Amino acid sequence: DVKVTQSSRYLVKRTGEKVFLECVQDMDHENMFWYRQDPGLGLRLIYFSYDVKMKEKGDIPEGYSVSREKKERFSLILESASTNQTSMYLCASRPGTSYYEQYFGPGTRLTVT
Amino acid sequence: EDKVVQSPLSLVVHEGDTVTLNCSYEVTNFRSLLWYKQEKKAPTFLFMLTSSGIEKKSGRLSSILDKKELFSILNITATQTGDSAIYLCAVGRDYNTDKLIFGTGTRLQVFP
Repeated sequence: DVKVTQSSRYLVKRTGEKVFLECVQDMDHENMFWYRQDPGLGLRLIYFSYDVKMKEKGDIPEGYSVSREKKERFSLILESASTNQTSMYLCASRPGTSYYEQYFGPGTRLTVT
Repeated sequence: EDKVVQSPLSLVVHEGDTVTLNCSYEVTNFRSLLWYKQEKKAPTFLFMLTSSGIEKKSGRLSSILDKKELFSILNITATQTGDSAIYLCAVGRDYNTDKLIFGTGTRLQVFP
């Protein structure tokens, strides 16, 4: 079974803090994704990565950056957290670009106060 | 602009009822439609429907795709409390396989 894990289920940070969200997958998948999920807005893609050190902006990259130094790990970074970044963050992975099905992690609920 | 719309937003039923969840889409270069179930954890994959597979069934869950009318439905028969979840619909496109376009989801609550 594919397993995608995220470093924290719940996280509370203060405005202006630098925040790291970690995602690890154990199936040697090439592609990894970061989404945020908000009521009424659904899942929106923040960034994705084709492979190690490769990244592409999604639909809402502003205020975020990512890092993929190893194939199994994809990190989402909030350089200076703001209250409008309070959200559920979901990581996903898939084998490669010819696959549509993505496998999701359990999510991190981030609250910025 | 590509969009995926799910309805209803929320649904409350009793165990044993049958429910139908809807997903309509307006997407260029449509390739596939996926259904996910999201409980208080990771969204889990249910079905993928494409031109070559417009009907899928797994136990009490079934789904069809109507490419002419641009919608899909997810049916759940004999609902159980364990079916309570948010059901997400997503569409994948040709030529831009990186992004899935998600709907906002339907929240289903099944009471005993």
